[in-house]
Order: sequence, then C-alpha cells, then structure tokens
Amino acid sequence: SAVISQKPSRDICQRGTSLTIQCQVDSQVTMMFWYRQQPGQSLTLIATANQGSEATYESGFVIDKFPISRPNLTFSTLTVSNMSPEDSSIYLCSGTIGGGYEQFFGPGTRLTVL
Amino acid sequence: GNSVTQMEGPVTLSEEAFLTINCTYTATGYPSLFWYVQYPGEGLQLLLKATKADDKGSNKGFEATYRKETTSFHLEKGSVQVSDSAVYFCALEGSQGNLIFGKGTKLSVKP
Repeated sequence: SAVISQKPSRDICQRGTSLTIQCQVDSQVTMMFWYRQQPGQSLTLIATANQGSEATYESGFVIDKFPISRPNLTFSTLTVSNMSPEDSSIYLCSGTIGGGYEQFFGPGTRLTVL
Repeated sequence: GNSVTQMEGPVTLSEEAFLTINCTYTATGYPSLFWYVQYPGEGLQLLLKATKADDKGSNKGFEATYRKETTSFHLEKGSVQVSDSAVYFCALEGSQGNLIFGKGTKLSVKP
C-alpha cells in the first residue's frame, strides 16, 4: 500500500494569485494523478503526472493553468495559476503501485478563492 | 466516452437495514470496476473491486457483482451499521489507468 500526504490541507487565496500543492508518497508509485472535486460534484481527472516529462492533461485542462511537476517516483506538485472563484475545489492526488488496480488517494487540499 | 451513473443521494437508513446503491456504466470493452468510500474527515479509500464480468467484489460485508448484461455494479450490504455512514463512489478504470467516478452517494445510518 501507499500513504499519500498533501500540503497544504486547505488554503484561502485571493483572485489572480497562484497556489502550489505538494503531493508526497511514502513509496514509489508507478502512476500519479491529479483530480478536482468541485462542491457537490464528483472527482474529475485533471492530468496524469508523468515522471521526468510533461503531464498529460484531460480535455478542458491546460498546462498554463495547471502546471504539474513530477521530478521522481514519490513526489509531485500541482499549481493552480491565476486563480478565480471558479477554482474553489478540493484537489486530490493519487497513485498506483506496480501494475496494481488500486489507487491510493491523498487527503485532499481544500482551496477557496475569494 | 466512458462514464458512470450512480444513484443520487442522500440515502438515510436505520441500523441493520438492507442497503443498495445503484451504479451503471457506459464503457468500451470491459474495464475494471470499483467502489470507493470516503468516511467523514478522511480520504478516499478502495472498498472493493471487480476486474472482469461476473466477478464479485466484497469487503466489510459489502458486495458488488460486475454485470455486463446490465452494465451494472450495484453495491449491497445486508445489514448496515452507523459506522457505514460515508460517501460512496462508483468508478471504472479509464484508458490511462485513471478512475472515472460517479457523483457519489451520501449514506447516513441512524441508530
């Protein structure tokens, strides 16, 4: 299994600023993903974080708005850039180990944009 | 594209009642199916999974069977407890190894 931590756990930010969320895993994970959970909604995949290369973004999400880094097999960051109130959500990272099916999730970062 | 449709909540039951949360999916091929649970104040965690048609996933008294004929993966439990109060998400495996989630169903169990 894997234990995933995220920092910060929550933040309140001003419109137009940027926030970087960190995701740390206690073991090496094969795949890492970033999801968004808007209020009252389900989880939506933002991107797959690829180690040592550019992330793969889902339709509707772009690198300029959500730049992602993954320098190694245990760490990734997601930046929410030029924030607006519509970016208020919970952001979660997850990972899989080896060829396993189970995704392990971080506790999430609750972002409020004023 | 692939998608999951899940029973709307919230669902409120008395302790020891029977639980069913409906989940149907649309997918190309036969992806793995999952139920994840989010207890209050905690992160998402895997409850059970099924990787092929007719598989039954089970854990903690919960069960779900992968039905390709009806494209369903309904979650059931014979006797719920207060500690089962949580949000339940049905999900299927996406093409990138990611998960495609339903909207979630909030379950409240009263003593």
